[in-house]
Amino acid sequence: EAQVTQNPRYLITVTGKKLTVTCSQNMNHEYMSWYRQDPGLGLRQIYYSMNVEVTDKGDVPEGYKVSRKEKRNFPLILESPSPNQTSLYFCATSGTPVGYNEQFFGPGTRLTVL
Amino acid sequence: TQLLEQSPQFLSIQEGENLTVYCNSSSVFSSLQWYRQEPGEGPVLLVTVVTGGEVKKLKRLTFQFGDARKDSSLHITAAQPGDTGLYLCAGAGGNTPLVFGKGTRLSVIA
Repeated sequence: EAQVTQNPRYLITVTGKKLTVTCSQNMNHEYMSWYRQDPGLGLRQIYYSMNVEVTDKGDVPEGYKVSRKEKRNFPLILESPSPNQTSLYFCATSGTPVGYNEQFFGPGTRLTVL
Repeated sequence: TQLLEQSPQFLSIQEGENLTVYCNSSSVFSSLQWYRQEPGEGPVLLVTVVTGGEVKKLKRLTFQFGDARKDSSLHITAAQPGDTGLYLCAGAGGNTPLVFGKGTRLSVIA
């Protein structure tokens, strides 16, 4: 079964405590990306990766890091989380070219930073 | 950055009514997608349109891509409570990443 998994699904943390949200896909997709979704602001892209070892900034990359060491995994790292990073985060994957292929989204990670 | 404007932002209608949601941009897109998102879940693809003027139908949903590939619309006929959700349009240009609109939140009341 085609799957995009994210962990954890829910996380409450404190300012400054480093955290990683994992994303894994079993569809052999080249393209992976991270979005955050906030009320009134829609889905905003944080980072994306066109393939292994290739990552690029999206619209809101400040305060986030990513890595793409393997095709299936694309973790999102918050080195020093702040309250303005409280949000709903989605990982998504697709074949290429992007926009012609379906984006498969993970179930989401709801993050609260106190 | 390419921008996609969706309207209306919110829509509340009675079961059986028709509705249209719009997605507009000043930029040309090589493809445009429509997704639907239900509470607590990730968006799910409804349709992809790639040709200017293209019309696609999915049961009671009709999608149209503008002739100039700058805009799109989603028309729902005889809306049902199961159509309730957040509708998102997303456009791509060439090899650029997908850009999402802010969405239209639809509520269909029985």
